[in-house]
Amino acid sequence: DTGVSQDPRHKITKRGQNVTFRCDPISEHNRLYWYRQTLGQGPEFLTYFQNEAQLEKSRLLSDRFSAERPKGSFSTLEIQRTEQGDSAMYLCALRGSSGANVLTFGAGSRLTVL
Amino acid sequence: AQRVTQPEKLLSVFKGAPVELKCNYSYSGSPELFWYVQYSRQRLQLLLRHISRESIKGFTADLNKGETSFHLKKPFAQEEDSAMYYCAYGGSQGNLIFGKGTKLSVKP
Repeated sequence: DTGVSQDPRHKITKRGQNVTFRCDPISEHNRLYWYRQTLGQGPEFLTYFQNEAQLEKSRLLSDRFSAERPKGSFSTLEIQRTEQGDSAMYLCALRGSSGANVLTFGAGSRLTVL
Repeated sequence: AQRVTQPEKLLSVFKGAPVELKCNYSYSGSPELFWYVQYSRQRLQLLLRHISRESIKGFTADLNKGETSFHLKKPFAQEEDSAMYYCAYGGSQGNLIFGKGTKLSVKP
């Protein structure tokens, strides 16, 4: 079963605050991806992990964004010193075990920066 | 620039009418293409992939390398087909590169 849980579902914060989102795969999956989706746009790739190794960081939007996957299971995405432009849906996705480029997405964490 | 283009933001049809959601890509090599769908208040989910060559919920999509297109088609639209549809290209890192999406509205 390829399922993924994201928490929190919605976060409202004031500009300048730090926020952290968590992604929990229901079962073990090697590859975990983070995406951002803003209004009227498709999901935008940010970063991904192969087990605990972060193999792509250059797509992270700024140095305020960071992600971790310390034990190769759950992952966190942190945004420091949030700005209003960070308001978006942050999606976590898992790659299936078949090896194909099929991603299963979580429900997402919506961030609103006031 | 490498990208996936969905030219229509919104497509509105009546129930029972044919529907075609357009997707063009601008990548070289052997493409791996997908359609994802997002129904209201649900998460993004896979609809179909070009290598499967299957029909899902009556939808089909044919890869046309000459026209670099992967249009999604259904001969008779149903109200429950109303959703956001995203065309996506499989990247080299196992990621997906998405178009901006087309909102399909099927009217009764």
